[in-house]
Amino acid sequence: AQSVTQLDSQVPVFEEAPVELRCNYSSSVSVYLFWYVQYPNQGLQLLLKYLSGSTLVKGINGFEAEFNKSQTSFHLRKPSVHISDTAEYFCAVTPPYGGSQGNLIFGKGTKLSVKP
Amino acid sequence: GAVVSQHPSWVICKSGTSVKIECRSLDFQATTMFWYRQFPKQSLMLMATSNEGSKATYEQGVEKDKFLINHASLTLSTLTVTSAHPEDSSFYICSAILAGGPGELFFGEGSRLTVL
Repeated sequence: AQSVTQLDSQVPVFEEAPVELRCNYSSSVSVYLFWYVQYPNQGLQLLLKYLSGSTLVKGINGFEAEFNKSQTSFHLRKPSVHISDTAEYFCAVTPPYGGSQGNLIFGKGTKLSVKP
Repeated sequence: GAVVSQHPSWVICKSGTSVKIECRSLDFQATTMFWYRQFPKQSLMLMATSNEGSKATYEQGVEKDKFLINHASLTLSTLTVTSAHPEDSSFYICSAILAGGPGELFFGEGSRLTVL
């Protein structure tokens, strides 16, 4: 079975500073990896995903993530954050085969708070 | 991108009443939709997979008689919370899968249910 661990429940950071949101997963099979952002009282929006190929994935809003198979990590990074990046961020995994892709396994989320 | 819309975005009801939440894919057909529940400051938990024209598949621990799911068309799935109780108060989110390949999930805006 897969599981996802987001090591930080809250990450406060100043505007224009870099940020890294950590995500580790455990799985005995290969997985697809996703990062979603959730603004208050809204659904989830896909930031980026890793399916295969290049381990460095670029997403929307200037975010990127790097898949590290040996460390079973998929950390999310942004070199310079804005106030508007304040939101909850979820890492998720799903097996590439078998079962529904709706069966994403979500981490518990990391609340990013960007301060002026 | 594909748009998924939920209605209502928030609803308050009395204990013992039933509430219906709609999930619509606005610009694509979705043979499969998913319903999640999110408690405050927690991650999303998959409740059920809704398949057009067939019975929904419920996750372990989710009462199918409590949470009725109907996927009557390729663009509409409904979740009815029957005989709602205060413990059913939560944020309910749906998603729909865009056909092809691994299938990217598109999420609705969520519906906040408060049972008094």
